[in-house]
Amino acid sequence: QVQLQESGPGLVKPSETLSLTCTVSGGSISSYYWNWIRQSAGKGLEWIGRIYSSGSTNYNPSLKSRVTMSIDTSKNQFSLKLNSVTAADTAVYYCARDEFWFLNWGQGTLVTVSS
Amino acid sequence: EIVLTQSPATLSLSPGERATLSCRASQSVYSYLAWYQQKLGQAPRLLIYGASNRATGIPARFSSSGSGTDFTLTISSLEPEDFAVYYCQQRSSWPWTFGQGTKVEIK
Repeated sequence: QVQLQESGPGLVKPSETLSLTCTVSGGSISSYYWNWIRQSAGKGLEWIGRIYSSGSTNYNPSLKSRVTMSIDTSKNQFSLKLNSVTAADTAVYYCARDEFWFLNWGQGTLVTVSS
Repeated sequence: EIVLTQSPATLSLSPGERATLSCRASQSVYSYLAWYQQKLGQAPRLLIYGASNRATGIPARFSSSGSGTDFTLTISSLEPEDFAVYYCQQRSSWPWTFGQGTKVEIK
């Protein structure tokens, strides 16, 4: 059973860049799409985007100008960068494997944007 | 962007009762709809995909119907572990979106 684990700073200052990594274990990162989803009190669940093992990406248009995703197949990891963050980016961030539906999720990591 | 509207926001029921949750899409999502259950402090868990197919390990008391714009999740007889928040999600068109959730609470 594949397992996903998010990691990264829990506190980011306004205008800085949020950086998270998802480590995949129990299976290969190859030949799947890998997603980032966030959940905030204000906006509920929001799909941020996805990356394929080849590196191709799809982003939510609402965040596209600020999002960059990358993947490292040698480490079985993929990453999210969200720049110019504000308090509205405070949320629990999840990574999830795309099997057409979101079957496997990480446990989530809370990121707070505050000075 | 397709907006998914869930109703009611909160459903107060007793164990053993039947729960009926609604998800309405702002435009047709065909059968590209899923339902997730989320308990406090946990990630969402896939219950139903393709509008009516139970995911592996999901009890038969969970069922779903609908296509196009109107969908219903039914829990035939609530067990104590079913009290949670339920979300619908569409995968018909970019960006994929979620409903705002229905909380099923103990009456």
